[in-house]
Formats: sequence, structure tokens, C-alpha cells
Amino acid sequence: KNEVEQSPQNLTAQEGEFITINCSYSVGISALHWLQQHPGGGIVSLFMLSSGKKKHGRLIATINIQEKHSSLHITASHPRDSAVYICAVSPYKGYGGSQGNLIFGKGTKLSVKP
Amino acid sequence: DSGVTQTPKHLITATGQRVTLRCSPRSGDLSVYWYQQSLDQGLQFLIQYYNGEERAKGNILERFSAQQFPDLHSELNLSSLELGDSALYFCASSVYGPPPGEQYFGPGTRLTVT
Repeated sequence: KNEVEQSPQNLTAQEGEFITINCSYSVGISALHWLQQHPGGGIVSLFMLSSGKKKHGRLIATINIQEKHSSLHITASHPRDSAVYICAVSPYKGYGGSQGNLIFGKGTKLSVKP
Repeated sequence: DSGVTQTPKHLITATGQRVTLRCSPRSGDLSVYWYQQSLDQGLQFLIQYYNGEERAKGNILERFSAQQFPDLHSELNLSSLELGDSALYFCASSVYGPPPGEQYFGPGTRLTVT
């Protein structure tokens, strides 16, 4: 079983729809990251959070540490939101000797149709 | 633009060869992380350097090595290349080692081994 699981794997939405991508993890973490990867391959960090909720424009990320679960929401989706969204976690310092490296989910491929 | 640069963008080479990928972190960032993204494995952490010293190792093969120089740029050396080494190689940088900070990704180097 992967340490970071995302759902769904693929998501097709109509422009304007509200979108939710889920992430569950099984290890102790110091932070959770949401990343966006465009078709050209570049990766952009959207959020880093360790508790509660963060909002940037139409994007909202939440995390529930007790349930080991995070969600990424996109309000009023637009075709330019089409990308792969990747959930990643920074495991605790003591886990495998890591010091800030990321463990990644498989990603959610989002396609928003006009 | 994340401020992280990687060269070259594309690299095509033959099996058995050796290549060097280069990464310059954002100004002021002390940590450099190397990640490999392949179609079957997704994104995987390879190795981290912090202020010139190796800090953490992930799924890095013995044929691969890396270093971080006094000016903080980093190089990833891949030797005895195999077809399965074909992948996107990303470096990322962050200000701190521990605790983990937001990571800024370079544009990646696409390696094709023929």
C-alpha cells in the first residue's frame, strides 16, 4: 500500500464546477504539500500546510491531522486549471532519517472542459 | 519562474553512458533535493543536500551520485545508464533542511536513454 493515496486518479469537469481532490496518508508528517504539474512537465508548489486551511484565489486546501487526510478544492473551475495535482508529505524527521524530502502520491489528472 | 534552474532541458544518450545533470537553487536556499519522475514509478525522492552536506537518501541507485558545491549548485551524476533510467529529473530547493519548508522546483531535465 502506498504511503500517500490520492483520489480520484482522473477527473473530468465542466467549466465552473466545484472540484475536490482527496489525499490520505499513513505516515507521521510535519507538513503536507499540494503541487501542480502542467502538461509541459513543470511543477509548481500550490500549498504547504500542517494544520487547518489555506486559500489562494480559487484554490482551497484543508488538512485533518487526526484523520490523516487532506483535500484540495477548486472553485469555479476553468480550462486553465487542467493539470495533474500531486499530494506530497514531508515525513517526520525520525522517519527513515528524512529531513524534509517528499513522499508523493500518484497524482490526479484534472481536465476541465469549456 | 521558481528561480531554480536546471540544465540541460533535454538529454538523449545511449545505454552504458554517463551524464551529469546540473541544478542551481534559488538565491538563499541551502537545501537541494533531487527527484526522479518515471511513467511507472511516479515521483520519487533520490537525495538531499543541505549546505554542501548530504542530508538524506531515498531510492537512489548505486550508479547514481550527487554533490553540492560551495556555491550551492548541485550536480547529479548518472552512470552505466540503462533504458529504465529514462525519466524526468527534477531538482528542488528550499531555505531550510529541517524543519521542511516549501520546495521550489526547477523545470526538470528529460533524460532519454536509447
